[in-house]
Amino acid sequence: SALTQPASVSGSPGQSITISCTGTGSDLGGYEYVSWYQRHPGGPPKLIIFDVSNRPSGVSYRFSGSKSGNTASLTISGLQTEDEADYYCSSYTSWNTLYVFGTGTKVTV
Amino acid sequence: EVQLVNSGGGLVQPGGSLRLSCAASGFTFSNYWMSWVRQAPGKGLEWVANIKQDGSEEHYVDSVKGRFIISRDNAKNSLDLQMYSLRAEDTAIYYCARGGTHYYSSGIKYFDYWGQGTLLTVSS
Repeated sequence: SALTQPASVSGSPGQSITISCTGTGSDLGGYEYVSWYQRHPGGPPKLIIFDVSNRPSGVSYRFSGSKSGNTASLTISGLQTEDEADYYCSSYTSWNTLYVFGTGTKVTV
Repeated sequence: EVQLVNSGGGLVQPGGSLRLSCAASGFTFSNYWMSWVRQAPGKGLEWVANIKQDGSEEHYVDSVKGRFIISRDNAKNSLDLQMYSLRAEDTAIYYCARGGTHYYSSGIKYFDYWGQGTLLTVSS
């Protein structure tokens, strides 16, 4: 089943926020293959973190990822209005589905 | 520049069929596993299927097994999703995405580029 994320997180410009992503030992706890995606309304998802804590080229340093046990986290520091979007975590899983996504978190700035 | 362009969505009656396509450019298509991911209205993202670089291996989410077929043409840099016996719950925006490699294969275990998505509506 889907990874669990808070439905919404809000913050003021310049603040830091953290989005949690909770799974099980069959997904987050079993693999170092956690990724995070940003999706603005009407657009496709954009990869912002891969393999737990790596940023693709061109993604702001303000985005950082980590994992402990069955929970992964995305931190956005120095919050900007352009960060207002939906965020999804994802993990490889040993279930038949191979890849599972989180329930999604709406970030409001 | 990597580009993935989705096409083929539309309105289909329950029980009907449809084929989605994805045209890839800007990278060596045959070097990557490719995937389809969907998002139903008001729901989160759901991985649907993936296919190995040479097309020799495919995997599907349980809800579409036996109804959907993923395929690719490396000569044409294209990815397809043939869908049969469509249900209302298949209504979603469908994205092709680069990546989503099987655990036992080398390759990226994430989705680094996405198409713009194409809307499938299953309704009578």
